[in-house]
Amino acid sequence: KQEVTQIPAALSVPEGENLVLNCSFTDSAIYNLQWFRQDPGKGLTSLLLIQSSQREQTSGRLNASLDKSSGRSTLYIAASQPGDSATYLCAVRSNSGYALNFGKGTSLLVTP
Amino acid sequence: GAVVSQHPSRVICKSGTSVKIECRSLDFQATTMFWYRQFPKKSLMLMATSNEGSKATYEQGVEKDKFLINHASLTLSTLTVTSAHPEDSSFYICSAATGLNQPQHFGDGTRLSIL
Repeated sequence: KQEVTQIPAALSVPEGENLVLNCSFTDSAIYNLQWFRQDPGKGLTSLLLIQSSQREQTSGRLNASLDKSSGRSTLYIAASQPGDSATYLCAVRSNSGYALNFGKGTSLLVTP
Repeated sequence: GAVVSQHPSRVICKSGTSVKIECRSLDFQATTMFWYRQFPKKSLMLMATSNEGSKATYEQGVEKDKFLINHASLTLSTLTVTSAHPEDSSFYICSAATGLNQPQHFGDGTRLSIL
């Protein structure tokens, strides 16, 4: 069974800092990996999706990398802003099914 | 594009009540919809996968007679929590995709509280 772990569980940084969120997974036979943002009491907003054949994806200030062989992905956020405060979820879809296996998330607080 | 609407956003009801949650894809046809549940400080867990016009596939440990899923059209899936009890209180989120191998687009979720 695919296990997804996110570190750290919570992070607080001052505005303007660059930061890295980590995601690890136990089964490297993945179809794709996705990073989501979840605001309190809300649903999920997809940020970046990396196919298994890709190494990274970029969107604006966000960059996600994927190292399938080591079972790791990182989400890099440049020049953080208070509006980036949210919970960031990593989800992995394995080759063996269609379900997304989620980590518990990293709760990010960016202070002004 | 790819907007998914989930209704209601919040439900509070008495134990024993059945509750229906709707998930609609507003600007695309969703042949596949997924239902997830999220307990406080826990990961989202897939409950079931539904394909339009066929029976839903439930994950291990999810009671199909307790959580009734109907996906009768390409834009609507419903989840009915039958005879809800306090332990069913949770955050339920649906997602929709144009196919099993396509990206999932999520609704805003439904907070269900059973008294």
